[in-house]
Amino acid sequence: DAMVIQNPRYQVTQFGKPVTLSCSQTLNHNVMYWYQQKSSQAPKLLFHYYDKDFNNEADTPDNFQSRRPNTSFCFLDIRSPGLGDAAMYLCATSTLEQGWGEQFFGPGTRLTVL
Amino acid sequence: QKEVEQNSGPLSVPEGAIASLNCTYSDRGSQSFFWYRQYSGKSPELIMFIYSNGDKEDGRFTAQLNKASQYVSLLIRDSQPSDSATYLCAADDNAGNMLTFGGGTRLMVKP
Repeated sequence: DAMVIQNPRYQVTQFGKPVTLSCSQTLNHNVMYWYQQKSSQAPKLLFHYYDKDFNNEADTPDNFQSRRPNTSFCFLDIRSPGLGDAAMYLCATSTLEQGWGEQFFGPGTRLTVL
Repeated sequence: QKEVEQNSGPLSVPEGAIASLNCTYSDRGSQSFFWYRQYSGKSPELIMFIYSNGDKEDGRFTAQLNKASQYVSLLIRDSQPSDSATYLCAADDNAGNMLTFGGGTRLMVKP
């Protein structure tokens, strides 16, 4: 089945220790997104890629970086995680071929910062 | 600042009743609207989307859109305990590739 896959599902890191979260998709969608979601809050968009074009949200901290080496894969790098970065990180994809922005979410990575 | 507003709840309904979830949006340029269901600790799952004024039905779910009032709703008929979750409303932008999410309404269906 076509899907969005995120690894790992759970990540524990230490304060200040870099961490990389990965996302892959078999949907062949040209748009990929990274969201941060904290408990009882709406998903907050960090970045999105339209093909290889990178778009950073204005309020995304510099501590967060992203890479998209090819259509299928996208990575989220957190250079120096702080306690406030503990959250669920959601990867999503979409295509504009049908003319509207339905987004398909992966299962998420739950990040814990000790 | 584009905004999507939802009552955070919890909305509590008895099993078998109709649950009514509401959402307002600020951007008149939004064309399509989405309802996602999110179980605790899980990722959002698309329930329905709507882009035309009026009603759209899919099984027990009915989405309603009123662009003049900038109002979207989701009705769940014959609510089941398995419907207990947070429901996120989202509106797209003019280009259709960005979504603004509301904070979600927590629904509790009691047996």
